Amino acid sequence: DSGVTQTPKHLITATGQRVTLRCSPRSGDLSVYWYQQSLDQGLQFLIQYYNGEERAKGNILERFSAQQFPDLHSELNLSSLELGDSALYFCASSPPGLEAQYFGPGTRLLVL
Amino acid sequence: GEDVEQSLFLSVREGDSSVINCTYTDSSSTYLYWYKQEPGAGLQLLTYIFSNMDMKQDQRLTVLLNKKDKHLSLRIADTQTGDSAIYFCAERDQTGANNLFFGTGTRLTVIP
Repeated sequence: DSGVTQTPKHLITATGQRVTLRCSPRSGDLSVYWYQQSLDQGLQFLIQYYNGEERAKGNILERFSAQQFPDLHSELNLSSLELGDSALYFCASSPPGLEAQYFGPGTRLLVL
Repeated sequence: GEDVEQSLFLSVREGDSSVINCTYTDSSSTYLYWYKQEPGAGLQLLTYIFSNMDMKQDQRLTVLLNKKDKHLSLRIADTQTGDSAIYFCAERDQTGANNLFFGTGTRLTVIP
């Protein structure tokens, strides 16, 4: 158990819908990262937040957005969902030293 | 972005040593990581090494780094059936984002 929690574990929805994925980092970790794991793209970085502020963006679609709240939990919002958005979405957190990233169990999203 | 490459499959017999290889491209100082992913599970951080080190050992795991060839390997001694999983090599971005670039993963199968 890494100490990073993600909810829900599984999500099934339809094309065109909007979903919210939630992540709670390890206690004391200020950085939260979101990654997407799909069969065709592998593991790709989406976005990073540090202490409530966006720090870096990766291959994140404009239909996707995220935020980190004052209690440091983060949410990833996916809208206008397409079949190709079906994937495993991971959240990771890292301590202030920023050396290691600890991953949550992931949210498996299936868009039908 | 950085290009991290791994072979896709490796089979070993129980009790033998496994060696999983990875090549990376970033020429600057960076951290390099090994993660393990079991079926249906998240990414478990196994170990990481800074690029100014040659070797790091942690119980059955040995990481070797050849900086000249940008080659990283993970050796698992006395491989057990519980070691069957996908192993990901990752390189940390050095442009300030600190996100990870992952390889495709190597599926390790341990034969009893």
